[in-house]
Amino acid sequence: KNEVEQSPQNLTAQEGEFITINCSYSVGISALHWLQQHPGGGIVSLFMLSSGKKKHGRLIATINIQEKHSSLHITASHPRDSAVYICAVGWGVQKLVFGQGTRLTINP
Amino acid sequence: DTAVSQTPKYLVTQMGNDKSIKCEQNLGHDTMYWYKQDSKKFLKIMFSYNNKELIINETVPNRFSPKSPDKAHLNLHINSLELGDSAVYFCASSPLLAGVGTDTQYFGPGTRLTVL
Repeated sequence: KNEVEQSPQNLTAQEGEFITINCSYSVGISALHWLQQHPGGGIVSLFMLSSGKKKHGRLIATINIQEKHSSLHITASHPRDSAVYICAVGWGVQKLVFGQGTRLTINP
Repeated sequence: DTAVSQTPKYLVTQMGNDKSIKCEQNLGHDTMYWYKQDSKKFLKIMFSYNNKELIINETVPNRFSPKSPDKAHLNLHINSLELGDSAVYFCASSPLLAGVGTDTQYFGPGTRLTVL
């Protein structure tokens, strides 16, 4: 069992819908990352958080340290949000483990 | 003004060959990394270099050797390539002398390696 589990693995929605992607992890962490991998393959770091909530434009990331759970929300989704979203957790100096990714498709 | 660049973008080679992938960052970051993304799109960290010193080696075969001539460059050399080495390799960098999991990382565009 991977130390980081994402759900769902695939998600298809209509433009404008509110999107939630979940990430659960099984170890104590220093920080949690949300990454976006575009269809062309490039990877962009969206958020790094260790507590609470962060917002950037239509993207919101939350983390609950006690429950070892994080969510990534997208409001007013758009076809350009279609990508693979990856959760990664880090702890100590030498550990960074990635989830398997969630493939999001937003249809116009 | 590419922040993290990798060359080549595509690399096709025969089993048994030796190849290198180059990575450069112009962000002034202290730490650089190599990741491997397999065919199932799973990312795994391979190496981390901080100020030219190796600080992680995640059970990677010793056919893989990172080389950092200076803080802005981290090259990946692969000897005796095997079929299972086919993957996309990403270079990344981060600003601070922090733990590998505790700093925002900036990724290169990736190098798709195909071993025939």
